[in-house]
Amino acid sequence: EVQLVQSGAEVKKPGESLRISCKGTGYSFSSYWISWVRQMPGKGLEWMGRIDPSESNSNYSPPFEGHVTISADKSTSTASLQWSRLEASDTAIYYCVRHARDCSGVRCDSIWYYDLWGRGTLVTVSS
Amino acid sequence: EIVMTQSPATLSVSPGERATLSCRASHSVNSNLAWYQQKPGQAPRLFIYGASTRATGIPARFSGSGSGTEFTLTISSLQSEDIGLYYCQQYYNWPTFGQGTKVEIK
Repeated sequence: EVQLVQSGAEVKKPGESLRISCKGTGYSFSSYWISWVRQMPGKGLEWMGRIDPSESNSNYSPPFEGHVTISADKSTSTASLQWSRLEASDTAIYYCVRHARDCSGVRCDSIWYYDLWGRGTLVTVSS
Repeated sequence: EIVMTQSPATLSVSPGERATLSCRASHSVNSNLAWYQQKPGQAPRLFIYGASTRATGIPARFSGSGSGTEFTLTISSLQSEDIGLYYCQQYYNWPTFGQGTKVEIK
């Protein structure tokens, strides 16, 4: 089955580090970009950043640059989102999402909407 | 940053009636617009991309229209399973989402 399987909920204290993961199954993981999207309690969706698993190059939304790190391991078909120092404001659900692709041309191009979503990982940061 | 504004915040519609959701972009995004549905406790699901193309498995009662800065998602005949939050997202530039429209049964 084509899916993104995310790691389980986490409860952390401010200042602690954390890595959450997202494993792609049922498709060629390296062929599709992965982004992370944040949903704070009762709020909307925010794009955080994306990675190309085939080359491990990444881009970040300015509010998140320097605060999180996105990585990918194509050998295990797993993308990760990590923090070195959590803050209470990091409390949210984090979704990994797969970018759609347009293969109508001579090669496939990644598109910036998301055709596959993980179930989300709830991160709670509280002292 | 392109700001996406959705209206109304909440839409109450009787079963079988038409529901019309609006999404406005602060700058033109051409047709680089997607719609997602989110049910309580679930991840969002892609419904529409390219402003008007239904994603795989999406019923024909859902249709998207618009280009530039004004977009509409229409549910021609609301069913009980259509309730949830609907988000628009532009992908002309760094992706941004609207704040969502909650669709409920009247």
